[in-house]
This record gives sequence, structure tokens and C-alpha cells, in this order.
Amino acid sequence: DGGITQSPKYLFRKEGQNVTLSCEQNLNHDAMYWYRQDPGQGLRLIYYSQIVNDFQKGDIAEGYSVSREKKESFPLTVTSAQKNPTAFYLCASSTPVGRQETQYFGPGTRLLVL
Amino acid sequence: AQSVTQPDIHITVSEGASLELRCNYSYGATPYLFWYVQSPGQGLQLLLKYFSGDTLVQGIKGFEAEFKRSQSSFNLRKPSVHWSDAAEYFCAVDFSGNTGKLIFGQGTTLQVKP
Repeated sequence: DGGITQSPKYLFRKEGQNVTLSCEQNLNHDAMYWYRQDPGQGLRLIYYSQIVNDFQKGDIAEGYSVSREKKESFPLTVTSAQKNPTAFYLCASSTPVGRQETQYFGPGTRLLVL
Repeated sequence: AQSVTQPDIHITVSEGASLELRCNYSYGATPYLFWYVQSPGQGLQLLLKYFSGDTLVQGIKGFEAEFKRSQSSFNLRKPSVHWSDAAEYFCAVDFSGNTGKLIFGQGTTLQVKP
């Protein structure tokens, strides 16, 4: 089945620790996105990548880093510089059909701080 | 700044009643418009989308939405709500029409009374 997978489902971070969230897609989509979701705030864009080996900051990139070495993978690292990392993290992917892109989402990873 | 507003944070309707969820957006010449639904602890599922053409669009699960350019609105409707429709609903807008970057509303939580 084609889709987007995120792992782990739950992740715990200790003070000063970097953690990496995995996002994989087998939809052959060109673009991938990371969002952060906090209660009552909707989704906010962290980073996005439209092609391999290229990515751009979104609205809240501070304290996060990404890589895009393969088309199907877009891991997100939450660094120790991110002081309030507790949130639900969603990965999405899309590919343009003409000028019409539609984003499809993975199941999410919930990050908690110990 | 470009923004998306969902005026209703919570809505409660009785099962079988009609539903309308509101979405307004700031100025955008040719916005692409989306509605997503999220069950607790899950990712987002696409309900419907509008790119161009007929301003009344049909989606999955019996939902429809109407784009009104003069009111900068894209309201979601369903004629008869089922208990399984209880979830959080997000309106999202691609203001540029070709970047794939979405701005999300804060979400509306729908509760369905038996």
C-alpha cells in the first residue's frame, strides 16, 4: 500500500538531547513537509523540501534541522536548542499535478519531554 | 499577513442535523482551498479541495464546500451529521497557488450528540 509512515508513534526526549523523527513515503512525491501541531494553534510549518538535497525553512524552523538525501525520506531532528519541543509532529508529502498540489499526511509522532 | 480564520473553536450538533463549518481567509488572488479532518491522535485526512471551476465542490464522507470569492470564504457543509463525524476540522489555504505551502486555520472541534 502506498502512503506515508512516521516513526516512532511516541518519542521521549531528555533535557539537552537531540532526537530524530522519521518520515518515509512511497508515493513517489517530490515535496515533503514537517508541521508542528499544538492545541488550539492549528498546524505550523517547520521545514519543507521540494526536491532532493534542497530544503527551506518554514515559519518556526528555529531549534529544528532536516535533511533530504533521498526522495522518499525527510527526517526531522529536534535539537536541544528547541526549548519547548512537546507537540504533535506531522509529516506530509505532495506532488504537483499541473499547478495543483495536494498534501497528504502521515499519522504523526507525539514528542514528550521527560 | 496572510491568514486563515475558523471562527468557531467548538461546535456541537445533534446526530442527523445539518452542519456548517466556517472558514475565512485574508486576501489572495487565486487561492487553493482545502478542508482536512483529524481524529484524535491521528494524521490529517483530505476531505475536499478547490482549485478552480465550479465553486461548489464535493468531497468524501458526504461533505461539500462552497467557495465565495466575494466573501473570502470556503465553508464546509454536511446535510446530516453522523456520530462518526466527531473530529477536528481544519481549513487550509495555498495563497500563492503554486508553492504547495499551506496556511492552516486553528481548527474546529465537532462534537455530535446522540
